[in-house]
Amino acid sequence: GESVGLHLPTLSVQEGDNSIINCAYSNSASDYFIWYKQESGKGPQFIIDIRSNMDKRQGQRVTVLLNKTVKHLSLQIAATQPGDSAVYFCAEKRRAQGGSEKLVFGKGMKLTVNP
Amino acid sequence: NAGVTQTPKFQVLKTGQSMTLQCAQDMNHNSMYWYRQDPGMGLRLIYYSASEGTTDKGEVPNGYNVSRLNKREFSLRLESAAPSQTSVYFCASSMTGRGNEKLFFGSGTQLSVL
Repeated sequence: GESVGLHLPTLSVQEGDNSIINCAYSNSASDYFIWYKQESGKGPQFIIDIRSNMDKRQGQRVTVLLNKTVKHLSLQIAATQPGDSAVYFCAEKRRAQGGSEKLVFGKGMKLTVNP
Repeated sequence: NAGVTQTPKFQVLKTGQSMTLQCAQDMNHNSMYWYRQDPGMGLRLIYYSASEGTTDKGEVPNGYNVSRLNKREFSLRLESAAPSQTSVYFCASSMTGRGNEKLFFGSGTQLSVL
């Protein structure tokens, strides 16, 4: 079936390194993707989004890359800091029965930043 | 600006008990959502309300009911709690509800059903 998932369940990096978190999606009709960060004991927080008419979008220290050919999404975090330690989710806009649209979330990946 | 506020933060129930999770948003958003989060399962949509006066089932609606009380408030009710409903519950809201607008989440309710 269709799914949104992450390649790596955990990632450990050194402070100051760049981090790359990957996500695969299977619905080629999806046209909007979003990344969320969830710190322990908190709700998910929006990081960055991208529409399918783009292949790259940059924010503050974060970049999202979209490769529609292989249905792959990645989140790059530059100069990773201890405060970046969290679980990261990708989500895909999916059209449901009746024409409504909903976000479908992947399972999440835990990023640990070592000082 | 409080954003999305959920109560309670923690709750322990016995099997068969009922309870209502409350959610309110002060961002004048049209759409509101209830998700549950289980280890290894990600966020799964229980119910949503695209606009005031409407509610629809999500992926995992069984055992739950919802009420969109007004534009600000969206409650989730467990009529007869079961251990399988042990989870962390998140309420969220968005402006248009079309899925192409980012969701704003509350801080969650940790529910244990014994």
